[in-house]
Amino acid sequence: EVVLTQSPGTLSLSPGERATLSCRASQSITSGYLAWYQQKAGQAPRLVVYGISFRAAGIPDRFSGSGSGTDFTLTISRLEPEDVAVYYCQHYGTSPPTWTFGQGTKVEIK
Amino acid sequence: QVQLGESGGGVVQPGRSLRLSCEASGFTFNTFGMHWVRQAPGKGLEWVAMISYDGYKKHYADSVKGRFTISRDNSKNTIYLQMNSLSSEDTAIYYCAKTIVGAQTAFDHWGQGTLVTVSS
Repeated sequence: EVVLTQSPGTLSLSPGERATLSCRASQSITSGYLAWYQQKAGQAPRLVVYGISFRAAGIPDRFSGSGSGTDFTLTISRLEPEDVAVYYCQHYGTSPPTWTFGQGTKVEIK
Repeated sequence: QVQLGESGGGVVQPGRSLRLSCEASGFTFNTFGMHWVRQAPGKGLEWVAMISYDGYKKHYADSVKGRFTISRDNSKNTIYLQMNSLSSEDTAIYYCAKTIVGAQTAFDHWGQGTLVTVSS
């Protein structure tokens, strides 16, 4: 089973800065089955990116996903106050079918 | 629009059982796989169980295998999670989530969750 490790644990940036969130897999992900979710305080998670780089419906274009192999990144190009949240990466493994989450990165505004 | 509404949470004693429900609307329910995902207080997300669109395929996390059962009733647009032999480690918000269009790799809609507290 793939283990996902996210870093940093907390990211504190000023509005307008670029946020780079990392998700490292314990083994190479060749399927492309890597997604990112945003969870604001007291709310359910929301899909941000799927298939490594495809933005979900309604997600602003300042969010982008990239990566390959074991290293994946969610980038917020210009941080807005409403982006304050915990972000989780998630992998779908096929044998057997399992859905695994990273431990999360908290994004704060300075 | 897609809506998912969980119910059935509450306080239950260790060793007892509880059944959660999730009613769906706004999409063709019988064509999508559905999931339960949980989040312990102050912790991250943990996938719990998945059921295929027709109910024939079911998958479970190791932490709940043999204790939890996922099922669905497509005539009622509802999925269920029967939870037996509950322990304090099962205390969490339980979310139902819909499989993304065209694949079963991610979750594109989530309910607001129902809180399950296992305590004596």
